[in-house]
Amino acid sequence: GAVVSQHPSRVICKSGTSVKIECRSLDFQATTMFWYRQFPKQSLMLMATSNEGSKATYEQGVEKDKFLINHASLTLSTLTVTSAHPEDSSFYICSARDLEGASSYEQYFGPGTRLTVT
Amino acid sequence: GEDVEQSLFLSVREGDSSVINCTYTDSSSTYLYWYKQEPGAGLQLLTYIFSNMDMKQDQRLTVLLNKKDKHLSLRIADTQTGDSAIYFCAEILFSGGYNKLIFGAGTRLAVHP
Repeated sequence: GAVVSQHPSRVICKSGTSVKIECRSLDFQATTMFWYRQFPKQSLMLMATSNEGSKATYEQGVEKDKFLINHASLTLSTLTVTSAHPEDSSFYICSARDLEGASSYEQYFGPGTRLTVT
Repeated sequence: GEDVEQSLFLSVREGDSSVINCTYTDSSSTYLYWYKQEPGAGLQLLTYIFSNMDMKQDQRLTVLLNKKDKHLSLRIADTQTGDSAIYFCAEILFSGGYNKLIFGAGTRLAVHP
């Protein structure tokens, strides 16, 4: 149980275009999902916390107009990178918290999406 | 402040024990976690420990927590080549109305024959 999927796993896009990344909790409901960004050989940086039915909470320094987050249901959150630039190239990972899990502090991570902007 | 620190690299021989260390700063953290990341993949939760515990054992994994020194360690017994990965420790931080995970930079474990 507690599986989180991401789609796509890899995407290459041209500079100036927008890219949408989906994060799904497959076998549990997640009120809260988190979006992280990971640079090569570095740790995960929390970008935003996404709550179903409400606006996302962005971390300091993350542009909310550039990284649009929509959490339309208890099993789906999307991250849209708008007007992508090469510096947006990164590994994006989502996680979800299981409402019914043994610990409300457990987060389950998706496999990540590798974004390359050319 | 929010700061979780780990050594960046550890090399061990197959069959030996590996010990990965971590220090954290938020004394109010209720849970502390160890995650494993294999190349090109997401994070896999290995284990976690509640802050009122000193030790937690789960098969080959032993977690030790020293709250006084804010020190967390992960011991992997009988390390195998399949254990080669990056290991992240993380603490829970309550900020802005949410519980957030704060990660260390990760320790790259290399297992050699």
